[in-house]
Amino acid sequence: GAVVSQHPSWVICKSGTSVKIECRSLDFQATTMFWYRQFPKQSLMLMATSNEGSKATYEQGVEKDKFLINHASLTLSTLTVTSAHPEDSSFYICSAPHQSSYNEQFFGPGTRLTVL
Amino acid sequence: AQKITQTQPGMFVQEKEAVTLDCTYDTSDQSYGLFWYKQPSSGEMIFLIYQGSYDEQNATEGRYSLNFQKARKSANLVISASQLGDSAMYFCAMREIDRGSTLGRLYFGRGTQLTVWP
Repeated sequence: GAVVSQHPSWVICKSGTSVKIECRSLDFQATTMFWYRQFPKQSLMLMATSNEGSKATYEQGVEKDKFLINHASLTLSTLTVTSAHPEDSSFYICSAPHQSSYNEQFFGPGTRLTVL
Repeated sequence: AQKITQTQPGMFVQEKEAVTLDCTYDTSDQSYGLFWYKQPSSGEMIFLIYQGSYDEQNATEGRYSLNFQKARKSANLVISASQLGDSAMYFCAMREIDRGSTLGRLYFGRGTQLTVWP
């Protein structure tokens, strides 16, 4: 099946710094990618929809100035957590639907962010 | 209202037995898709099975089958012959296809933690 990668797989940073997470579709083009956040023992919550060549669409309650999304190419979307705080510590997962497959979305392996 | 409801926070099953994980959904769309994902402790989301709303037959993938009851809006996952490696969190998810793009977002349930014991 199609492959989606994420980098880094884990990151520890100090409070107040910014962290960039990359999501790449390795063998297909993705005009749309989704960013989810998952707190321990909880479900995946959609944060935003990343659209290639246009602005991201954010879910209600997600601060667009804090979680910057850039979908610069058909294979890369980035999520930047600006001025991170301990409450931003979470598991961030991206997914990309395959345009030729209506039956599956492909998930990245996730990035575990810890803010000290 | 929640679009996906998983009422079992935890389930236990003995190895080699079958187990059913419950999922109900809520949508007014006629065209939608239902998914089950497995998430082991490593965090990766592993796609298990898909059922389209117009599929007349229940989906099956190896030891996984989806018991699709459209009138009840339920999409239960049945795992046959459980293995120790099946221990993980299982998420039911839905994509509403009618609303614009077919490449739409997924709505997830809260998940069911399955533990398989020897």
